[in-house]
Amino acid sequence: AQSVTQPDIHITVSEGASLELRCNYSYGATPYLFWYVQSPGQGLQLLLKYFSGDTLVQGIKGFEAEFKRSQSSFNLRKPSVHWSDAAEYFCAVAPSGAGSYQLTFGKGTKLSVIP
Amino acid sequence: GAGVSQSPRYKVAKRGQDVALRCDPISGHVSLFWYQQALGQGPEFLTYFQNEAQLDKSGLPSDRFFAERPEGSVSTLKIQRTQQEDSAVYLCASRGVMGGPNEQFFGPGTRLTVL
Repeated sequence: AQSVTQPDIHITVSEGASLELRCNYSYGATPYLFWYVQSPGQGLQLLLKYFSGDTLVQGIKGFEAEFKRSQSSFNLRKPSVHWSDAAEYFCAVAPSGAGSYQLTFGKGTKLSVIP
Repeated sequence: GAGVSQSPRYKVAKRGQDVALRCDPISGHVSLFWYQQALGQGPEFLTYFQNEAQLDKSGLPSDRFFAERPEGSVSTLKIQRTQQEDSAVYLCASRGVMGGPNEQFFGPGTRLTVL
């Protein structure tokens, strides 16, 4: 069974600082990989996704993520954090094939931003 | 709005009551998903519809949970004889194509509190 680990429950950064949120997955093959953001009282919004090809993917709101097969990781980065980025971030995986609809989420990383 | 909508947004139930949660997907979206998000956790898959057919209900935690999508559009998640452990946010998502790892669009969720 696939699983997703987000090692950091809560991260606090200063506005303007860089950000990296970690995500490791366990799966027999290369899965499809996603990062979602959830603001309080809001649904999940897709930031970016990786299916194949270039291992560095660009997303919305200035976010990017890099897929590293050797480390089974898909870390999310942003060079300069804005106060509006404060939210909870979820990494998710889906099988790359039959059943690719079923997303498995990590437990999330809550991001706080100090003005 | 053109997004996924869910109602009610908040529901308080006494233990033992039945509840029904509604999801209106994006118009024309073939696939519909239900997830359960417990406090401090990531969403967990409950069930999946393609049009009116429920193709996967492997995530439903017990036979007290029942979901339907009779006309292939609106879906209802019903929980019978609610228990305290059912307290969670229930998220609905829809997707526009039948196959492949395309983006799932999430609604704002229904927060269920069972007293």
